[in-house]
Amino acid sequence: EAAVTQSPRNKVTVTGGNVTLSCRQTNSHNYMYWYRQDTGHGLRLIHYSYGAGNLQIGDVPDGYKATRTTQEDFFLLLELASPSQTSLYFCASSDVGDEQYFGPGTRLTVL
Amino acid sequence: GDSVTQTEGQVALSEEDFLTIHCNYSASGYPALFWYVQYPGEGPQFLFRASRDKEKGSSRGFEATYNKEATSFHLQKASVQESDSAVYYCALSDLDNRIFFGDGTQLVVKP
Repeated sequence: EAAVTQSPRNKVTVTGGNVTLSCRQTNSHNYMYWYRQDTGHGLRLIHYSYGAGNLQIGDVPDGYKATRTTQEDFFLLLELASPSQTSLYFCASSDVGDEQYFGPGTRLTVL
Repeated sequence: GDSVTQTEGQVALSEEDFLTIHCNYSASGYPALFWYVQYPGEGPQFLFRASRDKEKGSSRGFEATYNKEATSFHLQKASVQESDSAVYYCALSDLDNRIFFGDGTQLVVKP
């Protein structure tokens, strides 16, 4: 069974705060993704990676950094959080051309 | 760029009704097409895929047929149950292994 875990599951921070969201996959997949999900917008791709040290820009990258430290671990960084980044964040992994496996999500609130 | 359009934002049915959720895509080349389902409080789950014209994908009683001429991949189920209530996403995968999601369709099935 493919497995993607995310931490924390819930996070509250203040405007200007520094936040790191973590994602780990045990699927031995090459690709990992970060999405945000907002009402009325579905899933929007922030960043993705096809291996350790690689980073590709998605559709809504402004205000986000990401780093893929190993094949298993992909981090999303908000260095100066803003209320507009309040959202539900999902991480996913996949092999080339295959379906994506999603984590349970992290709900981030920026006050 | 590549994109996916889901016509219905919400569909309300009664149990045993026939379901159709419309999905049309715009892409260069020959993308793989997917349906995902998301239950409350969870990440999206892969439902099924199709990779070539006229191929039918199916799972759990749901099905869709790849129609390259019409650029469509409509989701259907003959008889819905209350437990099918969820958000359904149509998606396509491009040559860079990015997945483009539609905005999602909320299915509400009343007993």
